[in-house]
Amino acid sequence: QVTLRESGPALVKPTETLTLTCAFSGFSFTTRGICVSWIRQSPGKALEWLARIDWDDDKYYNTSLGTRLSISKDTSRDQVVLTLSNVEPADSATYFCARKTTTMSPFDHWGQGALVTVPS
Amino acid sequence: QSLLTQPPSVSGAPGQTVIISCTGSDSNIGAGYTVHWYQYLPGRAPKVLISEFTNRPSGVPERFSGSKSGISASLAITGLQTDDEAEYYCQSFDRSVNGAEVFGGGTKLTVL
Repeated sequence: QVTLRESGPALVKPTETLTLTCAFSGFSFTTRGICVSWIRQSPGKALEWLARIDWDDDKYYNTSLGTRLSISKDTSRDQVVLTLSNVEPADSATYFCARKTTTMSPFDHWGQGALVTVPS
Repeated sequence: QSLLTQPPSVSGAPGQTVIISCTGSDSNIGAGYTVHWYQYLPGRAPKVLISEFTNRPSGVPERFSGSKSGISASLAITGLQTDDEAEYYCQSFDRSVNGAEVFGGGTKLTVL
């Protein structure tokens, strides 16, 4: 059974760095093709793809966020970590991690999401 | 502004059919990238409804179907049920962002 679970702080102050962890089970980065992405939804806005890390450690980022994002994986611990630096109130959102089995396949399993608030 | 354009909202009565469009461009759908559709209820994990324009994963009711025409994709929901009230998103990839994933702006379905 595939599961993903996001964890991290519920409240982050402006200019600080947000660190979120996605702990998963039921699959492994040792399997060719596996990808894990981070996606967020800010209140009243659409889903926004943020970053992806692949089984071979290739990394991709939403260019609209510049250099604020960083994604990494720990294959031995079945975790993916996302950091977002210099946060601002517009970064308040529910953050999801999601898996897919190939680059072009859909996100077939998602976590329940982690709500993060950046106060003004 | 999203690279994939969806209507902000659609509505229909129980039993009716609604169609949600997802219009792209030559840098995404027109470039040969596929489209997936998701149903999202705030507070819950999004769920894939349709993959690769037309494929319905196991467990998704036949009431949900997808299609492609030119640089657009569409999601049709027949026999509307109150449980279908949710947000629906298309997702593709775009050359202008190095082939990365992009979501449409989302469509809120209201079942009257």
